[in-house]
Amino acid sequence: SQTIHQWPATLVQPVGSPLSLECTVEGTSNPNLYWYRQAAGRGLQLLFYSVGIGQISSEVPQNLSASRPQDRQFILSSKKLLLSDSGFYLCAWSNPFVGENGEQYFGPGTRLTVT
Amino acid sequence: AQSVAQPEDQVNVAEGNPLTVKCTYSVSGNPYLFWYVQYPNRGLQFLLKYITGDNLVKGSYGFEAEFNKSQTSFHLKKPSALVSDSALYFCAVREGRGSTLGRLYFGRGTQLTVWP
Repeated sequence: SQTIHQWPATLVQPVGSPLSLECTVEGTSNPNLYWYRQAAGRGLQLLFYSVGIGQISSEVPQNLSASRPQDRQFILSSKKLLLSDSGFYLCAWSNPFVGENGEQYFGPGTRLTVT
Repeated sequence: AQSVAQPEDQVNVAEGNPLTVKCTYSVSGNPYLFWYVQYPNRGLQFLLKYITGDNLVKGSYGFEAEFNKSQTSFHLKKPSALVSDSALYFCAVREGRGSTLGRLYFGRGTQLTVWP
């Protein structure tokens, strides 16, 4: 069966510090991968998605970036955090094959607080 | 373009009573619709989906959803609510057939509170 991991679970970082959040998926190959941010416990904002190694698309211009160095690894980064980067970050995966009516499966999330 | 609306930010219901969480959608083509649940400080959990076929879809934890094409709605229902159903519920619509990305468009979420 497939599982998705995120770490760390919680993170407190000062403004201006770098960020690296990691997401890994097990039990599947070539998944579509997604990073979301959830602010104030409500709506989900899609930040980045990836259909393959090294293929990253950005939905929202900001000081965050994403990378996919391996098939089942997705990393969210920042060189300098802003207060507005605080939130709950969720990674998700879905089956890319056409014909799959593809729900997304979410990781447990990372709670980021920028102070 | 695909979009989803959840008209209620908050739904309150007494335990044992039926519950409904509303969702309306806008898509080009046939809709693929989903419901997710989120407990505090947790990721989203998939509940159920509608792709085609029977308009009444059954999912996890006793939830079901009714697809209504004429009203472009996909309301989540449960005959008898439990206190443990209290959570944030998201409706979503999938990007259309032919897209391998499978991007989901989420509603803003509805906070369900079930009172004992």
